[in-house]
Amino acid sequence: EIVLTQSPGTLALSPGERATLSCRASQSVNSNNVAWYQQKPGQAPRLLIYGASSRAAGISDRFSGRGSGTEFSVTISRVEPEDFAVYYCQQYGSPPWTFGQGTKVEIK
Amino acid sequence: QLHLQESGPGLVKPSETLSLSCSVSGASLTSNSYYWVWIRQPPGKALEWIGSVFHGGSTYYNPSLNSRVTISLDTSKNQFSLNLTSVTAADTAIYFCARHSVRVAAFDIWGQGTLIPVSS
Repeated sequence: EIVLTQSPGTLALSPGERATLSCRASQSVNSNNVAWYQQKPGQAPRLLIYGASSRAAGISDRFSGRGSGTEFSVTISRVEPEDFAVYYCQQYGSPPWTFGQGTKVEIK
Repeated sequence: QLHLQESGPGLVKPSETLSLSCSVSGASLTSNSYYWVWIRQPPGKALEWIGSVFHGGSTYYNPSLNSRVTISLDTSKNQFSLNLTSVTAADTAIYFCARHSVRVAAFDIWGQGTLIPVSS
């Protein structure tokens, strides 16, 4: 099973700042099959990024993903008030599909 | 517009079977473009993939739950279901159904989720 470790656990930012969230895999992820999700309290996760770097439909271009092998990241260029949430990475390169433990982006 | 909605009991007793259904509107379960998935999230914790079912009925389960899980399709009702046997308090979680798009290769549409406590 591929274990995903996200860092930092919590990121405190002011609106307008840049955010970079990291996800490290315990082994290389096939075909860079990594996705990122945003989850707000009381809501289901929402797909942001798939294939490590492709934005899902309707997702702002403030969000960008990159990475390969075992190191992946998502960047929010300028954090907006609606971006404060928990972010999860997920791999679907090798079953079982696994998620990271999450990074909480909170208001500073 | 695609919509997924979970339904099931509000509470399950320890050692019993948890049964949930996911009603799908706006897409056919018989499409070969999608898998249909169950994911859970214990309160305040991370997400866990439970298993997936493909349009022909092929299933794939998380080995950590494999012996207790069954996921099935009911194409006549455009629903898919989850059965989890011998539950304990550790199975208390929000249970989500979701679509796994073959093209996007990620979980692109989610239901709102339903909290299932396991308690006597």
